[in-house]
Amino acid sequence: DAKTTQPNSMESNEEEPVHLPCNHSTISGTDYIHWYRQLPSQGPEYVIHGLTSNVNNRMASLAIAEDRKSSTLILHRATLRDAAVYYCILRDSSNFGNEKLTFGTGTRLTIIP
Amino acid sequence: DTGVSQDPRHKITKRGQNVTFRCDPISEHNRLYWYRQTLGQGPEFLTYFQNEAQLEKSRLLSDRFSAERPKGSFSTLEIQRTEQGDSAMYLCASSDPLGTDTQYFGPGTRLTVL
Repeated sequence: DAKTTQPNSMESNEEEPVHLPCNHSTISGTDYIHWYRQLPSQGPEYVIHGLTSNVNNRMASLAIAEDRKSSTLILHRATLRDAAVYYCILRDSSNFGNEKLTFGTGTRLTIIP
Repeated sequence: DTGVSQDPRHKITKRGQNVTFRCDPISEHNRLYWYRQTLGQGPEFLTYFQNEAQLEKSRLLSDRFSAERPKGSFSTLEIQRTEQGDSAMYLCASSDPLGTDTQYFGPGTRLTVL
């Protein structure tokens, strides 16, 4: 499986935008980029995913570099409830049956009031 | 949509005892996954079912671990002869492959082996 690299931790002030980076230099053409987050004492929850184009949903935006070797999860206006561990995960869409998610250690995001 | 539920939420047991956890997926989801998470690490895949068929098992799933999904609905994960190294959070997730195949996770069962 292609690997991802994320900073161990980041801090951001409340109500400011947050940019969470992810490097995936060995990404293949069929890998989707997924982001999940895990709030304290909860299971992970899906945030967003994309293949080549930038994506927006109600939770966040995903900016994907043109060469797809990196991506950035953008929280437009962080709240205290966004404090969590954020995981960047690659999923191969061509390998039917390779359904599992391979988590790294993620980025622990701390929001400063 | 009641989400994925897991029972119990917490389990404390003595080394050598057997434990069983239950997962109830989202009702229309036919894929169900088990993961294990230790402190400071991301979840690690254990096994996955499509309906009642167990299609993949991780090497992490030793002979002491067994998972079932007999009717393609709820699933159980049993650990026999527990060891202290089994202490972890056990997470269940489900997905609908006809949709986006997004995995929805339950709150987990925290196991402590004394």
